[in-house]
Amino acid sequence: DGGITQSPKYLFRKEGQNVTLSCEQNLNHDAMYWYRQDPGQGLRLIYYSQIVNDFQKGDIAEGYSVSREKKESFPLTVTSAQKNPTAFYLCASSKRVSNQPQHFGDGTRLSIL
Amino acid sequence: AQKITQTQPGMFVQEKEAVTLDCTYDTSDQSYGLFWYKQPSSGEMIFLIYQGSYDEQNATEGRYSLNFQKARKSANLVISASQLGDSAMYFCAMREGRRAGAGSYQLTFGKGTKLSVIP
Repeated sequence: DGGITQSPKYLFRKEGQNVTLSCEQNLNHDAMYWYRQDPGQGLRLIYYSQIVNDFQKGDIAEGYSVSREKKESFPLTVTSAQKNPTAFYLCASSKRVSNQPQHFGDGTRLSIL
Repeated sequence: AQKITQTQPGMFVQEKEAVTLDCTYDTSDQSYGLFWYKQPSSGEMIFLIYQGSYDEQNATEGRYSLNFQKARKSANLVISASQLGDSAMYFCAMREGRRAGAGSYQLTFGKGTKLSVIP
């Protein structure tokens, strides 16, 4: 089955620690995205990537970093500079065609210890 | 100004009845797309329906239809014959054409409407 796999499902971060959220897709999509969702809110874009080895900041990139070394993978690192990281993180991918939807993973819930 | 406005934080509907979830948008682009997603309590985002700004017909997908009124900049989702499994958050999202050249197939999301279906 084609889809997007995010891991882990739940993650806990200590003060001053960097943590990495995994996102893998086997849909052969060129574009990948990371969103943050806070309780009762919509999704806000953190980073996106249209092709391998290229990525762009979204609306709330501060305190986060990404890499795109392979088409299938787009990991997100939440750095210690992100002072309020507790949120639900969703990864998505899409074809680079304007009328095609983004497909989402099941999300990672990050909490502070 | 918000690009996507969903004015109904919560809605209730009786099972088997139809319900309309409101979405208004703000863009100066001529070419854009509107998407609706469903998010159950488990968290995954499920794509429901798409409407392009140049599409002449309102989009339909099974029990879902999109009431697209371009002049009013509204793209309301209509769910017919509601089922208990329709209880979820529903998000309206927009892809603006102008940003596509800047490398963006990215979406801007509204804050969502929580739909509860009553037996």
